[in-house]
This record gives sequence, C-alpha cells and structure tokens, in this order.
Amino acid sequence: EAGVVQSPRYKIIEKKQPVAFWCNPISGHNTLYWYRQNLGQGPELLIRYENEEAVDDSQLPKDRFSAERLKGVDSTLKIQPAELGDSAVYLCASSSDGKAFFGQGTRLTVV
Amino acid sequence: TQLLEQSPQFLSIQEGENLTVYCNSSSVFSSLQWYRQEPGEGPVLLVTVVTGGEVKKLKRLTFQFGDARKDSSLHITAAQTGDTGLYLCALVTITGTASKLTFGTGTRLQVTL
Repeated sequence: EAGVVQSPRYKIIEKKQPVAFWCNPISGHNTLYWYRQNLGQGPELLIRYENEEAVDDSQLPKDRFSAERLKGVDSTLKIQPAELGDSAVYLCASSSDGKAFFGQGTRLTVV
Repeated sequence: TQLLEQSPQFLSIQEGENLTVYCNSSSVFSSLQWYRQEPGEGPVLLVTVVTGGEVKKLKRLTFQFGDARKDSSLHITAAQTGDTGLYLCALVTITGTASKLTFGTGTRLQVTL
C-alpha cells in the first residue's frame, strides 16, 4: 500500500515569491494534517482536515498561507508571498483510527 | 504553543549504553504516542499508550505511561547506531472519529560507535 506522498521534496525560492506543496494521503484516510517543522524541533500543526472540511486552522497564518482539500482526498498548501522565516520542512500526514502516517516532507528554503 | 515538554533536548551516547527520555505535560493525556523521525523522513509511529501506568515493549524500547497520565518515558536498552533520530511524543485528542495530534519539543538522540 502506498504511503503518504508529498511533492516536491525540496524547493528553493526567493522571498516574496509564491510556493505550493502537494499531498496525496493514504487511500481511505479521512483526516489530513499539515505540519511545519523547524530544524531540531517538533512538528507544529498548521491545519487539520476531516474529509474536505478544515476543522482546525487556528495556527495557520491566514494572511499568507492557504490550504485546500478538494473532494476530501489530495491537499495543497500555498504560501504567498513567502518570507525568510517560512524556511522549514512542511509535513503532511493522514490518519485512521488515531494512527498517523507521515510523508517525507517538503524542505522549503526561502532566500 | 507546545503543550508537551521533552527532555533532554539532545543526547549523545555510545553504542551499548542505556538511556531514558521523558515527555511531560501539566495536563492529563487522553492517550499519547511516541514517534521516531530520521533525517529527511517523516515521523514514524512507534507506540500508543492509553492507560495510566501502562508499560509497552517494542524490542529494546520500553514505553511507560505515568499513573496520572501526565507524563511518559521511553527507555532504550543497549542502544544501537540505528536508534539515532528525533524522538517525539504526541498528545492524541480524539473527538468522535476524528483525531488531533499535538507534538512535543523532541529529543534528538545520537548513538555513536
């Protein structure tokens, strides 16, 4: 069974440019998470979906970040415009029965 | 804001040594999970603990949930270089069929020969 797939693996952009990350969760998993992880720290939740509904986006910086999960399957996370402080690893996870499975993440570097 | 504090933040030991890492909260956990994350990868679930005082073993790893369900520990016996990674505890909050994970600050373990 395929795991959680994220793309791209790496992205380098200049500040003020837009960027988008894509996530394909495990088939049948209704819950999807986007986390941001800074080096050496634990992941911090940005947004959580139950099917296509965003049920927890309190930590999402809504002035520049947006996310969508059309049809309750794939999801995209967008940053526009990116800032230097957005450099981090962006992790997507999906869960079933309380067990979460993570993708490899997208490492974003803003220069 | 992280609700879970992990200690130590960083631990460097030699192969064969034993170690314990801790996860603490001022709040009671409904259940808690431990993950290991290797460089360039996402976290991988190791175990879920639910009952206060519960002890679970996974080969050389022993997980304990505090009696009051406010703390947990992970003990590794005879560490190997393959145990190197970031160990994360996560608070699991379940509402109906939905679950929310809140991660701790992490303990970075380095095991050398």
